[in-house]
Formats: sequence, structure tokens, C-alpha cells
Amino acid sequence: GIQVEQSPPDLILQEGANSTLRCNFSDSVNNLQWFHQNPWGQLINLFYIPSGTKQNGRLSATTVATERYSLLYISSSQTTDSGVYFCAVPYSNSGYALNFGKGTSLLVTP
Amino acid sequence: DAGITQSPRHKVTETGTPVTLRCHQTENHRYMYWYRQDPGHGLRLIHYSYGVKDTDKGEVSDGYSVSRSKTEDFLLTLESATSSQTSVYFCAISRPSYNEQFFGPGTRLTVL
Repeated sequence: GIQVEQSPPDLILQEGANSTLRCNFSDSVNNLQWFHQNPWGQLINLFYIPSGTKQNGRLSATTVATERYSLLYISSSQTTDSGVYFCAVPYSNSGYALNFGKGTSLLVTP
Repeated sequence: DAGITQSPRHKVTETGTPVTLRCHQTENHRYMYWYRQDPGHGLRLIHYSYGVKDTDKGEVSDGYSVSRSKTEDFLLTLESATSSQTSVYFCAISRPSYNEQFFGPGTRLTVL
């Protein structure tokens, strides 16, 4: 199946700082999603982004499908950005179920 | 909000007992999924369904069975729970067109 690796595994930021999270995948994909898991365990959809660039407020994401990576940018971080960020791609391009990376754990301090 | 509910939200049970978790959706989506989340592993696929009575195994299906007799409900059963099945279980649906998945709130299961 298609493998997913995320980096860094852990990140600590001071409020107001910017950060970049990376997701590498082992094969071409027709689907890539970024999720935020908040401290209460809820999985929140951030981006559906198999290719190209999208922005939503202080967050943006870019997927370079030909080079098999995606980046999630968080600007002017806030304490509410804390949690775990997951990247997910299909197990295979013939199916729909998602294979998740192990996540980046982000802590934003005041 | 994709109209997904899970029940129960928390459950503590003993080794060897059967357990059924329920996922309910209100938007009539064809595809539904069960994942488990454990520290250090992200989320891993247990089983999925692509229609009523159509199901298939995922990456970590041993010890689990599923059933889908109605579009809106997808049940996950642990026939004889073991401590290794202590986990947080998430249900998900895929919206058509481009397969974006949305997740339910999760069920925290503890097997003593």
C-alpha cells in the first residue's frame, strides 16, 4: 500500500510563530487530506488537497503530487492550534479507505 | 458536521465479553469505515463498507466483525474482547464526488 511519513513528530511553538508540517507519500495519489485532532480527540477536516494549494484563514496547504509530498503551513499560531495534525492518503488508488501518517504533535504556548 | 454519531461514547468491559459499537449517519452515504487509534500508530483501518451488506477487511481486522443491514448504520463487533482491543474507535463516511472522509466523535473502549 501507499506509505505515509510525517515530520516533525513533535513541535513546540510560542504563540504568534509560524510553522511548516510535512507529509511524504510513497506513490502517486488521487486523494490527500489533512486533519487536526484537538485535545478532546475530535478529528477536524482541514484540507482535501490531492494537488495544488489551498488556504483557509491562517492555514494553508500545498501538495506537489509529482514529488510526492504535501506541506501544511500554520501562520501566527494560537494556543487553539495545539493538537495532532494528521496527513492521510488512500491505501491504494483503487480504493477509498485512508492510510494515516503517525501525525505531528503541536503544542503552542502562550 | 457530517451527521455521524457513535454509541456508546465510552465503554469499559471485561476480557472475553462481546462488545458492539454503533455508527449512525444521517446523510445516506454509501461508504462507511471503522478505524482504531492507538498511541504511536495514527489511525488504522479495521473494516469498511461500500453498501448494505457489502463489507471488506482492512489493515487490522483480526478479532473484529462488522455488519451493515441499513445504509445509515454500521456496526463493529468484538466477539470476545481482549486487552489489546483497548483503543479509541472512529467511524467515518466518504462523501461522493471526491471521497473526502469525515469522522464521528469516537468511542473510547477499555477492556480490563
